[in-house]
Amino acid sequence: GESVGLHLPTLSVQEGDNSIINCAYSNSASDYFIWYKQESGKGPQFIIDIRSNMDKRQGQRVTVLLNKTVKHLSLQIAATQPGDSAVYFCAEKVGYSTLTFGKGTMLLVSP
Amino acid sequence: DAGVIQSPRHEVTEMGQEVTLRCKPISGHDYLFWYRQTMMRGLELLIYFNNNVPIDDSGMPEDRFSAKMPNASFSTLKIQPSEPRDSAVYFCASSLRRGTYEQYFGPGTRLTVT
Repeated sequence: GESVGLHLPTLSVQEGDNSIINCAYSNSASDYFIWYKQESGKGPQFIIDIRSNMDKRQGQRVTVLLNKTVKHLSLQIAATQPGDSAVYFCAEKVGYSTLTFGKGTMLLVSP
Repeated sequence: DAGVIQSPRHEVTEMGQEVTLRCKPISGHDYLFWYRQTMMRGLELLIYFNNNVPIDDSGMPEDRFSAKMPNASFSTLKIQPSEPRDSAVYFCASSLRRGTYEQYFGPGTRLTVT
């Protein structure tokens, strides 16, 4: 989910559903990826990261999948809760460069 | 640890005025980043420091913007003179490792220039 112009892509789910947030990254040389969560009025918060030599990494209720062939990253959230409502950003890095952030996807969880 | 601390949380100023944003990074972190966030452009890196030394300021939009880090526990981002197009949320983040891995963000300063 990269945004275009003023509108963030939005994913609306019901509480308890599994959520999948997608990110298309731009640089085939990127070797490290991070997902951040940003709640309203707060700074981005680290969720999970993955290196390019992996294709899957799991955390608590979250899984990141990396498909380098199509330059695609996804974040799966299991049993989504209202507290998961936020904007989710993917970020990529090449070598010793700094992180480049995507524009984010808004996740709305309804009870 | 209190995390990254930013002040003020909100700033409203008139065009032409000087604005100073402040940041205290997490103790022990060697890297400090300043970002600007807008709906149109998303999260943009303005400048980052390593051990108090500016490493890359290529994201600073123009000479009206300047940043300093006089010591390991304090940094400022100054805009002089401010313009309405500078209105955004400014984040400070710090990082322990080579500056490109997990970054810890502050709560941000919402700047409105009228």
